[in-house]
Amino acid sequence: QVQLQESGPGVVKPSETLSLTCTVSGYSISSGYYWGWVRQSPGKGLEYIGSVFQSGSTYYNPSLKSRISISVDTSNNQFSLRVTSVTAADAAVYYCVRDVVGGKKYYMDVWGKGTTVTVSS
Amino acid sequence: SWDLTQPPSVSVSPGQTASIPCSGDNLSNKYVSWYQQKPGQSPVLVIYEDTKRPSGISERFSGSNSGNTPTLTISGTQSLDEADYYCQAWDGSTLYVFGTGTKVTVL
Repeated sequence: QVQLQESGPGVVKPSETLSLTCTVSGYSISSGYYWGWVRQSPGKGLEYIGSVFQSGSTYYNPSLKSRISISVDTSNNQFSLRVTSVTAADAAVYYCVRDVVGGKKYYMDVWGKGTTVTVSS
Repeated sequence: SWDLTQPPSVSVSPGQTASIPCSGDNLSNKYVSWYQQKPGQSPVLVIYEDTKRPSGISERFSGSNSGNTPTLTISGTQSLDEADYYCQAWDGSTLYVFGTGTKVTVL
């Protein structure tokens, strides 16, 4: 059974960089799929952040592209998200996901439990 | 930007059918997925590629995509189906788009 677990600091100061890691168990990242991040601000809907393939190829939400980077570490079966210059608008629950991508198929079939990020000085 | 619009809320009596539409441009040309999110939990995929159910998802959940309006249908709705539901599609470029979300209440 594939499981995803987010980790990282729960509080980030404004203007600093948010870094989160997702550890994958039950499946080798090197075997395929894209791996992504989705966030949800308090009381709001879901927002796609971006995804990374085992090769390092990425998709990013254009509205966040200038501030985000997603990388993969196949040796540790992890992938990571960095968001620079955070503001209060970046406070959210961050979920890591497994992306099914191919042809016309685009969906997220496995989700982590989510980690809450607060932006506060 | 490309938007997917859902009704904010749908109310249904136990045992009845709930239908949740998802509106957006050119959806008939795209595969749509649906996610269920209960309070305090992460989303769960309930429908993918318009009509397919992942393993373990109740047969009460079904999806359709005709007439450019994808719809999630919950048949024989139960109290455990109370949740927020989001449609989702790929914009053809570099962006997943999620719908605005629908809160299903079982009265």
